[in-house]
Amino acid sequence: DAGVIQSPRHEVTEMGQEVTLRCKPISGHDYLFWYRQTMMRGLELLIYFNNNVPIDDSGMPEDRFSAKMPNASFSTLKIQPSEPRDSAVYFCASSWGTSGGADTQYFGPGTRLTVL
Amino acid sequence: TQLLEQSPQFLSIQEGENLTVYCNSSSVFSSLQWYRQEPGEGPVLLVTVVTGGEVKKLKRLTFQFGDARKDSSLHITAAQPGDTGLYLCAGPTGGGNKLTFGTGTQLKVEL
Repeated sequence: DAGVIQSPRHEVTEMGQEVTLRCKPISGHDYLFWYRQTMMRGLELLIYFNNNVPIDDSGMPEDRFSAKMPNASFSTLKIQPSEPRDSAVYFCASSWGTSGGADTQYFGPGTRLTVL
Repeated sequence: TQLLEQSPQFLSIQEGENLTVYCNSSSVFSSLQWYRQEPGEGPVLLVTVVTGGEVKKLKRLTFQFGDARKDSSLHITAAQPGDTGLYLCAGPTGGGNKLTFGTGTQLKVEL
């Protein structure tokens, strides 16, 4: 059974370029989460969706970041324009959503983004 | 904002030693989770504790939820190199299924 799939695994780009990160959640999961992990700030929630609808985007750092979930099996996180401070590992996670905050979140392998 | 502070931040020990990692908050949580993250991978859930004072065991790992549900600890007995990784506690915040993660404890177990 496939877990959460993220692509690309690594992305190196230059400042000012557009970056698109992709995620395929586990089939049947109702919740999808986007996180960013850095040494300085740890693991931070950026945005999460329930049944493809964005519920809380308060963690999105600024207007350069946007996320979409056009259907239950696909989500994107876009950064335009990218800046060096966006360099981080970006994780996608999904969950059933049946136990409230005690739900298990299943994480993908992450996308390591480097902005030069 | 409900914050979760973990200590120690870094821990390097020899195989066979015991250790305890702490997760503390000034806020009450309905439940707390512990995840382990290995290099190049995403975090993986180890356990969820939901009742104040609850103790759960997972082989050599013992998890405890504080009586007041503001803190938790993870004790590892006879650590092995396979225990190496980043240990993260996490608790639900803001309602819904939103999780706040702790600051993390990076554990290295050497032969």
